Amino acid sequence: DVKVTQSSRYLVKRTGEKVFLECVQDMDHENMFWYRQDPGLGLRLIYFSYDVKMKEKGDIPEGYSVSREKKERFSLILESASTNQTSMYLCASSEAPSNQPQHFGDGTRLSIL
Amino acid sequence: GQNIDQPTEMTATEGAIVQINCTYQTSGFNGLFWYQQHAGEAPTFLSYNVLDGLEEKGRFSSFLSRSKGYSYLLLKELQMKDSASYLCAVFSGSARQLTFGSGTQLTVLP
Repeated sequence: DVKVTQSSRYLVKRTGEKVFLECVQDMDHENMFWYRQDPGLGLRLIYFSYDVKMKEKGDIPEGYSVSREKKERFSLILESASTNQTSMYLCASSEAPSNQPQHFGDGTRLSIL
Repeated sequence: GQNIDQPTEMTATEGAIVQINCTYQTSGFNGLFWYQQHAGEAPTFLSYNVLDGLEEKGRFSSFLSRSKGYSYLLLKELQMKDSASYLCAVFSGSARQLTFGSGTQLTVLP
């Protein structure tokens, strides 16, 4: 079974802090994704990556950046956390090509105070 | 851009059949996914339709009509464990990304 592991299940940070969310997958998948999930809005794509050191903006990249230095790891960075970034963050991975089913981690519930 | 609509909530009885609809308006449609998400858990893949017609997988079936921009997920012989949110997602080959609907919260009553 594919395993997508997110570093924290719950995280509380303060406004203005730099926040790192880590995601690791163990199936040698080429593609990795970061979403946020908010009530009534569904999952919205923040960034995705189709290869090491490559990244592409999703629908809501503002206030975020990503890093993919190794194939198995995809990090989401909140450069200066704000209260409107309080959300559930979900990481996913999939095989190439890009239309393959995505496998999700359990999510990180991030609260910015 | 993408616009995906699905009902917010549905309720059904154990043992019954329920149909969850999804309509979409997209540019560059290349397939439609259904995911199941139990409260507090990760979404899990249910089905993928790229061609018109019905795909059956056990108690779950998914239908697609590309000309109508319409899909449905059919759940038969409902069980209590089917209570979950069901997410419709459209894949755009040009954008190489999935766009999700807001999800339908299904409650199965005894």
